[in-house]
Amino acid sequence: DIQMTQSPSSLSASVGDRVTITCRASQSISSSLNWYQQKPGKAPKLLIYAASSLQSGVPSRFSGSGSRTEFTLTISSLQPEDFAVYYCQQSYYTSFTFGPGTKVEIK
Amino acid sequence: QVTLKESGPVLVKPAQTLTLTCSVSGFSLNTTGMRLSWIRQPPGKALEWLARIDWDDEKFYRPSLRTRLSISKGTSKNQVVLTMTNMDPVDTGTYYCARMEYNRGYSWFDPWGQGTLVTVSS
Repeated sequence: DIQMTQSPSSLSASVGDRVTITCRASQSISSSLNWYQQKPGKAPKLLIYAASSLQSGVPSRFSGSGSRTEFTLTISSLQPEDFAVYYCQQSYYTSFTFGPGTKVEIK
Repeated sequence: QVTLKESGPVLVKPAQTLTLTCSVSGFSLNTTGMRLSWIRQPPGKALEWLARIDWDDEKFYRPSLRTRLSISKGTSKNQVVLTMTNMDPVDTGTYYCARMEYNRGYSWFDPWGQGTLVTVSS
């Protein structure tokens, strides 16, 4: 079974900070990695697909990079509406595994 | 506009069967390339993919839950039904349906329904 890990599990940051979240896969998944944002009581929202493609309508401060087993989500300048939980998800294998999530909190 | 909406019971008893319906609009379940999945989230925990059905009726299941899950297109042409047998309190959570987009060998879940909270308790 492929496992997805994320680090850190949580972080505190201020508005305007640059934030980086890392996602690692236990096996190579090429660039089949997606990022989602979830706010309390809401469904996840797609941010990045295929490791680095920005979903339409998502602000350009969000970016993704990486391949094979290591990936990053970067928020270039954190905004108040970005405080949420972020999940990575692999789509290389049919199990479509999600990472455990990274909670971004206000410092 | 593409929308998805989940419906089903709020409360089920242990050992009962859960039946959830995903009603979609803005696209057809029979269009070539259409794929739809169910994903769940226990309270305060991470997301877990459960099952997928494709336009050609091909089906995929989470291996650890394969014997308990069944996904199918509903009698209404724009519905997908998920059944899960032998429900247990650990199955408590929010259940989402989501369309799976596919392009150039990559796939992702977008959009998602609002989710429906299912509690398993006697």
